Amino acid sequence: KAGVTQTPRYLIKTRGQQVTLSCSPISGHRSVSWYQQTPGQGLQFLFEYFSETQRNKGNFPGRFSGRQFSNSRSEMNVSTLELGDSALYLCASSGSAGSVSPLHFGNGTRLTVT
Amino acid sequence: GENVEQHPSTLSVQEGDSAVIKCTYSDSASNYFPWYKQELGKRPQLIIDIRSNVGEKKDQRIAVTLNKTAKHFSLHITETQPEDSAVYFCAARYNNNDMRFGAGTRLTVKP
Repeated sequence: KAGVTQTPRYLIKTRGQQVTLSCSPISGHRSVSWYQQTPGQGLQFLFEYFSETQRNKGNFPGRFSGRQFSNSRSEMNVSTLELGDSALYLCASSGSAGSVSPLHFGNGTRLTVT
Repeated sequence: GENVEQHPSTLSVQEGDSAVIKCTYSDSASNYFPWYKQELGKRPQLIIDIRSNVGEKKDQRIAVTLNKTAKHFSLHITETQPEDSAVYFCAARYNNNDMRFGAGTRLTVKP
């Protein structure tokens, strides 16, 4: 099976702009989670989607939003970009509902805000 | 929500020695505990996981132990090799809640 695919791999944006990141999960996986990774901050949970519904949400401002499509592909949007949004954004999919399914991560999108 | 604390933040060992990383969690209902390894510039990859109905699990040189009473779990790597050098993350999850990660441990194995 193909792994989790994230596009684009790199993005450079200017403060105030908005950005959309895309994630295609492993075939058959219905859950997609998004994480922000910054040096020294580990993996901060953004949100999780399951069957097109947001199931969980982390403590990020409303500028961060997402959605999931009927084919389980997911997008994440960040509006009014700030310098502090520069980070590696990781998407992960899991196979089924329930807690015992591991997350499978994509290679991430590295966002740089100037 | 779940809070996961991980220690130490950095760990340096000599090749061949053992390495132990410890994590504590706050939600006693958490029932799934995976460990991920992230090499420089790469994505986190699952190396081992344990469910709450099991106290210990081994896979070659890697083992994880879980103490539900104390709400902590540990990763043990024996006979460390330079290729074990990476950042290791623990995580905990309860049912359909989100998976929360520790802050990570940077392991360096010196040849």
